[in-house]
Amino acid sequence: NAGVMQNPRHLVRRRGQEARLRCSPMKGHSHVYWYRQLPEEGLKFMVYLQKENIIDESGMPKERFSAEFPKEGPSILRIQQVVRGDSAAYFCASSPSPREEQYFGPGTRLTVT
Amino acid sequence: AQRVTQPEKLLSVFKGAPVELKCNYSYSGSPELFWYVQYSRQRLQLLLRHISRESIKGFTADLNKGETSFHLKKPFAQEEDSAMYYCALSAHTGANSKLTFGKGITLSVRP
Repeated sequence: NAGVMQNPRHLVRRRGQEARLRCSPMKGHSHVYWYRQLPEEGLKFMVYLQKENIIDESGMPKERFSAEFPKEGPSILRIQQVVRGDSAAYFCASSPSPREEQYFGPGTRLTVT
Repeated sequence: AQRVTQPEKLLSVFKGAPVELKCNYSYSGSPELFWYVQYSRQRLQLLLRHISRESIKGFTADLNKGETSFHLKKPFAQEEDSAMYYCALSAHTGANSKLTFGKGITLSVRP
């Protein structure tokens, strides 16, 4: 099992562009969590998804951010019209069920110039 | 709302010295507490969770509900313990096990 995969590992975007971050969960895992880590901060929960459903998006900014986890393919975190404050490391975690261990991906480091 | 506090950013000790990484939490219900570790150039991984009551790599942590603490301890630090450590809490609200993390602490073990 290759573990949780995230790509790209590094992403540079200019202000106003769109950023798409991908997360492929571990095989057999249908629960995906996205977290964001700003410099000098801990990871902060953004959104929790199961296949084709958003379960909890209470940590997502109301505008410009969206997430999906389609029936086929990876989970996508999409940030429209990026601003400098979006620069951060974005981590994805997956688990086979809600109460089991979350396995983390290596993260995507987004830099907005 | 839940909150996790790790009051120190850095702890530097010599090899063989005892280690205690502090973690305090705030939550009105019955949370589950975790310690995660991130070694250099590796991904975040679970070190231990309080319900399993295991000792991993010589580390232990006891949940103290009276003091709302979950400090991580090891009697004799090793150089390979040098890493970033995060304390985390899950409220397990319904079927949602989102994690609330502290800011983390860097442990440096000198030879």
